[in-house]
Amino acid sequence: SQKIEQNSEALNIQEGKTATLTCNYTNYSPAYLQWYRQDPGRGPVFLLLIRENEKEKRKERLKVTFDTTLKQSLFHVTASQPADSATYLCAEGGATNKLIFGTGTLLAVQP
Amino acid sequence: DAMVIQNPRYQVTQFGKPVTLSCSQTLNHNVMYWYQQKSSQAPKLLFHYYDKDFNNEADTPDNFQSRRPNTSFCFLDIRSPGLGDTAMYLCATSPGGRFNEQFFGPGTRLTVL
Repeated sequence: SQKIEQNSEALNIQEGKTATLTCNYTNYSPAYLQWYRQDPGRGPVFLLLIRENEKEKRKERLKVTFDTTLKQSLFHVTASQPADSATYLCAEGGATNKLIFGTGTLLAVQP
Repeated sequence: DAMVIQNPRYQVTQFGKPVTLSCSQTLNHNVMYWYQQKSSQAPKLLFHYYDKDFNNEADTPDNFQSRRPNTSFCFLDIRSPGLGDTAMYLCATSPGGRFNEQFFGPGTRLTVL
C-alpha cells in the first residue's frame, strides 16, 4: 500500500535561509500531492497542490516540486522567517476524495 | 467567514464512558471527514461522508461511529473510549472531486483517563 514518508527529524535553519523539506512516496505515482502547514494544537492549513504532470508550483515564498522518477516532492521556503516555524505535512491524493498524509516535518527557524 | 467549527476544543472522559464530538461547517461542502491524530503522527482517516454516503476505513475500530444529520453537521461518537483513543480529532471538509484541498477545523483534544 502507498506510504508517504517525511523526515521525522526537525529541520533547524537560520532566518533568511531556504528550508527544503522532503516527501517520498513508496508505491504508485499519485495524481497529485498537497502540502499543509500545522501549528501546535491546531488543524492543518492547505498551502499548495502540485499535479503529477507539473514539475514545479510557486506561491509567494513557497515552492513545491514533483519528481516522478525519484518518487519525491520537495517543499522549499525561501527567505525563511521565525513565523514559518511549524510542522509541514505532505499528502497524496488520487482518484478518490481521500488523502494519505505523512507524519510531517517540524521546521524551526531561528532568529 | 466560512469555516469549520469543532466542539468542544478539549474533552476529558473516563475509560468506557461514551463521548460525542461535533463538527459544523458553513462552507456547504459535500464531503466531511474525521481524522485521528496522535502525537507526532500523521492524521489518520477514520471515515468520511460524501453527502449522505458513509465511507468507513477498513481499519477503523467498531468503537467509532459517525452521524451526518444534514449538510452542515457531522458527529463522531466513541462508544467505549479506551486509553489508546487519547488523541486530537480533526474534522475536515472538501467540495468533493479530485484536486480539491481539505479545510480543517481546529480539532478536539480528547483525553481518556
